[in-house]
Amino acid sequence: GNSVTQMEGPVTLSEEAFLTINCTYTATGYPSLFWYVQYPGEGLQLLLKATKADDKGSNKGFEATYRKETTSFHLEKGSVQVSDSAVYFCALSTYGQNFVFGPGTRLSVLP
Amino acid sequence: DTAVSQTPKYLVTQMGNDKSIKCEQNLGHDTMYWYKQDSKKFLKIMFSYNNKELIINETVPNRFSPKSPDKAHLNLHINSLELGDSAVYFCASSPEWVSSYEQYFGPGTRLTVT
Repeated sequence: GNSVTQMEGPVTLSEEAFLTINCTYTATGYPSLFWYVQYPGEGLQLLLKATKADDKGSNKGFEATYRKETTSFHLEKGSVQVSDSAVYFCALSTYGQNFVFGPGTRLSVLP
Repeated sequence: DTAVSQTPKYLVTQMGNDKSIKCEQNLGHDTMYWYKQDSKKFLKIMFSYNNKELIINETVPNRFSPKSPDKAHLNLHINSLELGDSAVYFCASSPEWVSSYEQYFGPGTRLTVT
């Protein structure tokens, strides 16, 4: 079945540091890939998505590129802020199947 | 305007009670979902409805019964609550039952069973 693996957290960074959160997947067919963010006490919000190989999703300074050859969708940001502290979920979906979410990676950014 | 809303936001109850959580979306979406998030933030799909019809029912105790009176609403009723039911429950919706559409999440209902 489909699955998503994310790097385990928590990840703790200083403000303005570079962020990478690794995500790899296993899927049948051609999945769409997503990153969601969950701020404390809130629901999940879509951060970015990519629907085909080599697509790059970007939003709020975050980027991720759909790499079919390595089955990866790593999340990056060049300079994190305290306000980026949240839990980040990688997810995929394929036609007719439920979303599959990774376990989430908690990010803490210190001033 | 809230796209996906849930009520109540917090629910504290005793073991053995029956409770309901309501969800409404005003996005005109065809598909709605219920998820359970445990204390470690792990998300588990429970049910998926498309146009009021149940399409996915994961391995969930039959004490949990979803009901969709119309496309915009998906409620979750839980009978005989147990301690292990304590979690945050999220409702979500998406335009259609296809792969490239993202899901839109509600704010969650934190259920505490004592």
